[in-house]
This record gives sequence, C-alpha cells and structure tokens, in this order.
Amino acid sequence: RKEVEQDPGPFNVPEGATVAFNCTYSNSASQSFFWYRQDCRKEPKLLMSVYSSGNEDGRFTAQLNRASQYISLLIRDSKLSDSATYLCVVNLNNRKLIWGLGTSLAVNP
Amino acid sequence: NAGVTQTPKFQVLKTGQSMTLQCAQDMNHNSMYWYRQDPGMGLRLIYYSASEGTTDKGEVPNGYNVSRLNKREFSLRLESAAPSQTSVYFCASSVSQLSNQPQHFGDGTRLSIL
Repeated sequence: RKEVEQDPGPFNVPEGATVAFNCTYSNSASQSFFWYRQDCRKEPKLLMSVYSSGNEDGRFTAQLNRASQYISLLIRDSKLSDSATYLCVVNLNNRKLIWGLGTSLAVNP
Repeated sequence: NAGVTQTPKFQVLKTGQSMTLQCAQDMNHNSMYWYRQDPGMGLRLIYYSASEGTTDKGEVPNGYNVSRLNKREFSLRLESAAPSQTSVYFCASSVSQLSNQPQHFGDGTRLSIL
C-alpha cells in the first residue's frame, strides 16, 4: 500500500458545485497534514493545513479522520479558478514529508 | 516580496555536462529543500538542509550534490548530467522542519538532458 494515496481523477464539475476529495495515509504515526494546490506547470502552493478539529477557510473545508487514516478537502461553490491538481501531504515523525500524486479538478462553465 | 527564487527557469544540457541550480529565499527560513517532479511520480525529495551548515540526503540523492551557502541560499549541482535527470526541479523553504510548518516553493527549473 502506498504511504499516501489519492484518487487521481479527473473530477469534472460544473461551476457552483460542491466537490470533495479524500486522501488516505498508511502510517498511523503521521503527525501533520496539508493540502496544496498545483496549477499546470506551476509550483505547489499551500492551500491549507489540516487540524485535528477540522478547519475552514472560506469555501474550503479540511477534515482529519485519524481512526480511518484519511484527510478530506471539501470545496463549496466551485469556481473556474479552482481548476488545478490538489496534493495531499503528510508529515511523518517531524522528518519526512510524503506527497500524494494529486487529484485533478476541472471546473466547467 | 520575492519568497523563493530559483534560477535558471529553463535549461537544456547534453549528457555529461554539469550545472548548478540556484535557490534563494528571503523569508529568513531555517530549512530548505530540493525536489524533483516527474509525471506519475509526484514530488520526490532529493536533498534538504534543516538549518544553515547541515545537509542531508532525501529519497533520490544519487547524481546530485548540494551546498547550503548561507541561510538564504541552497544550490543543487549535477556533476555529470544523465537523461534520467530530465525533470522539473523545485526548491522550497520552511521556517523549520517541525511537523506543523508548511513549505513554500519556488517556481521551478525545467531541465532537459539530451
């Protein structure tokens, strides 16, 4: 089993839709979690950290489920500008960042 | 506010040539990283520097060397380039290696080895 797994997609959704991605991780010792977005041929950019209690930033909500070892990202009221690849990142033991391969999202007019 | 700056943005090399990729950050971060990104492989850590004066191997260090010149600058050197090193290279920095500190990326160097 891969250390971090994401559904590669693509997810094709209309503008205004709500879409959710999950990311599963294999090591229960994982300590911190992030979502990054990466536009085509650009650098990854931090979208949000994922806290144990869950957190929200505008239209974006991140959740952590330690029991089932997954994190999720919910995007409400999708915009065309949300089209990107969303990367799940897990920090293991303060030493190692493990990057998922990403989930591709296309928001269509 | 520049953040993380990488040079060059594009480079074509012949097999066997050497080159150095430069990275500088102006955020006073302690930790710096070099990644490569290949289709279907995701981001893979080449080398990192937890703090000025230290460097450590990452997941794929073979064929590369690094220098943490000072707190701001972290360079990556290919001594004898090989076609397998064709990739997009990203430099990143973070306040520290602690688990809750995110990384900030430069906009990448696209390197082709012929």
